[in-house]
Amino acid sequence: ETGVTQTPRHLVMGMTNKKSLKCEQHLGHNAMYWYKQSAKKPLELMFVYSLEERVENNSVPSRFSPECPNSSHLFLHLHTLQPEDSALYLCASSEGGGDRSYEQYFGPGTRLTVT
Amino acid sequence: GQNIDQPTEMTATEGAIVQINCTYQTSGFNGLFWYQQHAGEAPTFLSYNVLDGLEEKGRFSSFLSRSKGYSYLLLKELQMKDSASYLCAVKDSNYQLIWGAGTKLIIKP
Repeated sequence: ETGVTQTPRHLVMGMTNKKSLKCEQHLGHNAMYWYKQSAKKPLELMFVYSLEERVENNSVPSRFSPECPNSSHLFLHLHTLQPEDSALYLCASSEGGGDRSYEQYFGPGTRLTVT
Repeated sequence: GQNIDQPTEMTATEGAIVQINCTYQTSGFNGLFWYQQHAGEAPTFLSYNVLDGLEEKGRFSSFLSRSKGYSYLLLKELQMKDSASYLCAVKDSNYQLIWGAGTKLIIKP
């Protein structure tokens, strides 16, 4: 238990569906992250929020839409996804973002399958 | 481009020692991290190196040579529970984390 929770743990959705992934951190951290993890590939950073402000968006398609209502919660809204979006989506948090070299604490991930 | 290289898979015997290497080419350097990830679980932080040398933490040690763009994770007295993937990640000059694809370590009795 790392202090970062994610729901749901598994999600199967069709290409026309709309769904949301939720992440919550109980560590009092200021920065939160969304990553995509595909088999045998490096973690891909998608979005970074620092103090509830989006500070990084790594050219992610618009069918992925993040939301950070407060420093403890992070959402990833999904719509009209493609089969190649099937992957493990990991949320992480850290004490500071940007130029602070703090370790990141990860949630268990949501295994997403797009049919 | 930026690149982190680590072996895809390694096998070792329970009780033995294994060294997992990581080489990197990044635009600048602001520290190197090692994470452990068991199958189906979250990555968990193992170590952080920003200066050259060896950092020891129990059965695990991590080494860094900035001039060579090289690090290794050393695991001693291997246990079956050490079977996992080990991820190397480097913070570049923009403090962005660049990740390797991970090394799957298989421990055999």
